[in-house]
Amino acid sequence: RKEVEQDPGPFNVPEGATVAFNCTYSNSASQSFFWYRQDCRKEPKLLMSVYSSGNEDGRFTAQLNRASQYISLLIRDSKLSDSATYLCVVKYGGSQGNLIFGKGTKLSVKP
Amino acid sequence: EADIYQTPRYLVIGTGKKITLECSQTMGHDKMYWYQQDPGMELHLIHYSYGVNSTEKGDLSSESTVSRIRTEHFPLTLESARPSHTSQYLCASSGKEIYTYNEQFFGPGTRLTVL
Repeated sequence: RKEVEQDPGPFNVPEGATVAFNCTYSNSASQSFFWYRQDCRKEPKLLMSVYSSGNEDGRFTAQLNRASQYISLLIRDSKLSDSATYLCVVKYGGSQGNLIFGKGTKLSVKP
Repeated sequence: EADIYQTPRYLVIGTGKKITLECSQTMGHDKMYWYQQDPGMELHLIHYSYGVNSTEKGDLSSESTVSRIRTEHFPLTLESARPSHTSQYLCASSGKEIYTYNEQFFGPGTRLTVL
């Protein structure tokens, strides 16, 4: 079983749609959680951290359920520029721990 | 924008050649990383460093080696390239500050093709 598993995708949605991505992680000792964004043939960039209480950044909302070992990302009012691959990332091992990346879910927003 | 650089961006080379992929960052970050990523696949950590003179192997076994003689520089070397080494190699760094130590900043990557 992979340490971080994500929805297979791709997600093809029209502009303005709301889309949700799910992610599960296997290591219950995981301590920090993130969503990274990776554009085609580019490097990953941090989109947002995920906090236990849930957090929102503009059109993006991230949620964490530690009991179910589940993370989600909700994108409201999708824009063409949201088209990218969204990587679910977990970290364990304290401040010096390393990141474990999911394979990513590809989102394509159409006009 | 993150100040982390990789050269070359693209490299096509024959089997058996020795290659060094360069990575430099100007953010003064202590921790640096090398990842390997095949198309449509997840990033795999192959090497990392806590600081000068520190190098560790990552989760994915790799025939490459790394060195960390200066804080800003973390080169990766393949002594004898093989077609199985064809992949994208991404360098990253992270800082100590409480609000930034979790974020990794990535370079643009080197796409390596071994013929």
